[in-house]
Amino acid sequence: SQELEQSPQSLIVQEGKNLTINCTSSKTLYGLYWYKQKYGEGLIFLMMLQKGGEEKSHEKITAKLDEKKQQSSLHITASQPSHAGIYLCGADTYSGGGADGLTFGKGTHLIIQP
Amino acid sequence: DSGVTQTPKHLITATGQRVTLRCSPRSGDLSVYWYQQSLDQGLQFLIQYYNGEERAKGNILERFSAQQFPDLHSELNLSSLELGDSALYFCASSGRGQNYGYTFGSGTRLTVV
Repeated sequence: SQELEQSPQSLIVQEGKNLTINCTSSKTLYGLYWYKQKYGEGLIFLMMLQKGGEEKSHEKITAKLDEKKQQSSLHITASQPSHAGIYLCGADTYSGGGADGLTFGKGTHLIIQP
Repeated sequence: DSGVTQTPKHLITATGQRVTLRCSPRSGDLSVYWYQQSLDQGLQFLIQYYNGEERAKGNILERFSAQQFPDLHSELNLSSLELGDSALYFCASSGRGQNYGYTFGSGTRLTVV
């Protein structure tokens, strides 16, 4: 079965600094999703990457997919308190019939210090 | 509001009991997925339904079952509850081809005492 490893597990960053979160898969990535979760709340969709080399940005968050390395990175520029939370990467898993939901990493806990 | 509605938001029940969690998918989405999130296991895929039919099974216990009704809402039934079943249970829905990604509900927090 596919496994996703996220690093780091937790991150404390001073407000205004840049940061990167990585997600590495044990198998080929067909679709990679990034979600943000506030503690105890639902998952908020950030970005979906499907092609090797693809890069997407939304406001100050950029995600890239390196298909060869089976890895995705999430980069936040000039971090703000609103960026604090848990960042989860998820990957499409497939059986013979098609996509069967997402396998998730354990998450990266991000704390922004003022 | 993501468009995926889960009820109830919170549930407290005793060991050995049975509960039902409900999910209404985003309008037009035929697929419904159930996930369990606990501190030690993270977010685990339980089961998927597509247009009323079971499509895929993940790490779902035999004490748990689910179904999707003709109006596409889904219910997750948890029986013979144990303390370890305490977790956040999420429902997600997706459209055809997954081009829209997966939209998650706000979850049901289950506490077994």
